[in-house]
Amino acid sequence: QVQLKETGPDLVQLTQTLSITCTVSGFSLTSYNVHWVRQPPGKGLEWMGAMWNGGGTDYNSAFKSRLSISRDTSKSQVFLKMSSLETEDTAKYFCARGVGDYWGQGVMVTVSS
Amino acid sequence: DIQMTQSPSSMSVSLGDTVTITCRASQDVGIYVNWFQQKQGKSPRRMIYRATNLADGVPSRFSGSRSGSDYSLTIRSLESEDVADYHCLQYDESPWTFGGGTKLVLK
Repeated sequence: QVQLKETGPDLVQLTQTLSITCTVSGFSLTSYNVHWVRQPPGKGLEWMGAMWNGGGTDYNSAFKSRLSISRDTSKSQVFLKMSSLETEDTAKYFCARGVGDYWGQGVMVTVSS
Repeated sequence: DIQMTQSPSSMSVSLGDTVTITCRASQDVGIYVNWFQQKQGKSPRRMIYRATNLADGVPSRFSGSRSGSDYSLTIRSLESEDVADYHCLQYDESPWTFGGGTKLVLK
C-alpha cells in the first residue's frame, strides 16, 4: 500500500540547516509528484514546494533561496533541506503525494536558540 | 500569490447539523481546489478533489461545490467523527495556497 514517512531531527539550532527525508513505498517517484507542506503549532498549512515526477522542482518564493528539494529514486526518497533556520520555522513538516491523496505522519521540528 | 480566504475560522456545531465552509479565491483557479480534514495531531485527509469530487472512502454526507470564485464544503447530518479542522487548497497556480482553516467545535 501507499506510504510516506518523514524522518528528521526534532530539534535544530537557530541559523542551522534542517534536513528531512521522505521515504515512500507503494508507488514510484517517477510516476507521482511529492510535495512538502508545513504547519506551525496551532496554525494553518503552508505549501513549501514540490519534486515533480519528471525530476524538476518548484518552490514557494516565501522561502526565498533557503529551500532545496531533491530525490534519490533508487531509494524512493525525497529530501528537504532548508537553511538559515529561524524560530518561525518551528513546525510539523509533512510530505504528501500528488495533490494530497496520501500524506506522511509528519515530523515536528523545533528551532531552538 | 493567490489568496484563499476561508470562512468561518471556527464554527460551533451540533450533531445532526448541516455545516458549510467556504473559500473565496482571489483569482480564477478553475476546478483546482481540494478540501482536507485534519484531526488533532494527525495528518490531513483529502475529502474533496477538483472542487466537487468525493475522495475514496469519504462518506456521502460530504460534498463540494463551486459558485464562481467561491468554493464550499458541505457536511450534512454532522456526526461526531466530523468534528475536526478543515482546509481548502488551490493548486491551479504556484505557489499552491491553503485557506486559513476552519475549526469545528461541538456546542
